[in-house]
Amino acid sequence: DAGVIQSPRHEVTEMGQEVTLRCKPISGHDYLFWYRQTMMRGLELLIYFNNNVPIDDSGMPEDRFSAKMPNASFSTLKIQPSEPRDSAVYFCASSRTGDTEAFFGQGTRLTVV
Amino acid sequence: GESVGLHLPTLSVQEGDNSIINCAYSNSASDYFIWYKQESGKGPQFIIDIRSNMDKRQGQRVTVLLNKTVKHLSLQIAATQPGDSAVYFCAENNSGGSNYKLTFGKGTLLTVNP
Repeated sequence: DAGVIQSPRHEVTEMGQEVTLRCKPISGHDYLFWYRQTMMRGLELLIYFNNNVPIDDSGMPEDRFSAKMPNASFSTLKIQPSEPRDSAVYFCASSRTGDTEAFFGQGTRLTVV
Repeated sequence: GESVGLHLPTLSVQEGDNSIINCAYSNSASDYFIWYKQESGKGPQFIIDIRSNMDKRQGQRVTVLLNKTVKHLSLQIAATQPGDSAVYFCAENNSGGSNYKLTFGKGTLLTVNP
């Protein structure tokens, strides 16, 4: 398996623009997680899905953030409109069950100028 | 050592020495713990895990110790190599409830000097 695949690896956008991050989880994994990593706050869980259904989105910072999982092999995290404080590395991870190790993608480094 | 909410601590060791990275977790109900390694520019990589019904687990060159009494977790790396240089995170999860949230600590930067 190729592991969790995220795209793009890097994204630079202007404030106010819409940003869409993409993730392909490991096949057969029922859980998908979106994390954000910054120097100040470390790794924060934004939202997670179980069998394509959003279970907990309490970590989503604002209404500007939204996430979808239309099928078992694809998820998106959208920020609209983007702001400079959204600059961070966004990770997608998947796990076979909710209490086993999560496997992370390489991340998307987002810079909002 | 490391604790959620504090600045990123660092540990510097000589190649061949043993390394011990510590972590204080916050939730006494947590029953599953994972150590991750993150190299620069990469995502966190699973190293080893342990459940709360154990107090020690060994892998290849790594050992995790769990002390539930004081809510402390440690990662021991034997014969540390330059390739072990990275940031190490502990993560805790409470899988007894219906909400699976893997909460990460701030991380410890390990530097291995050749």
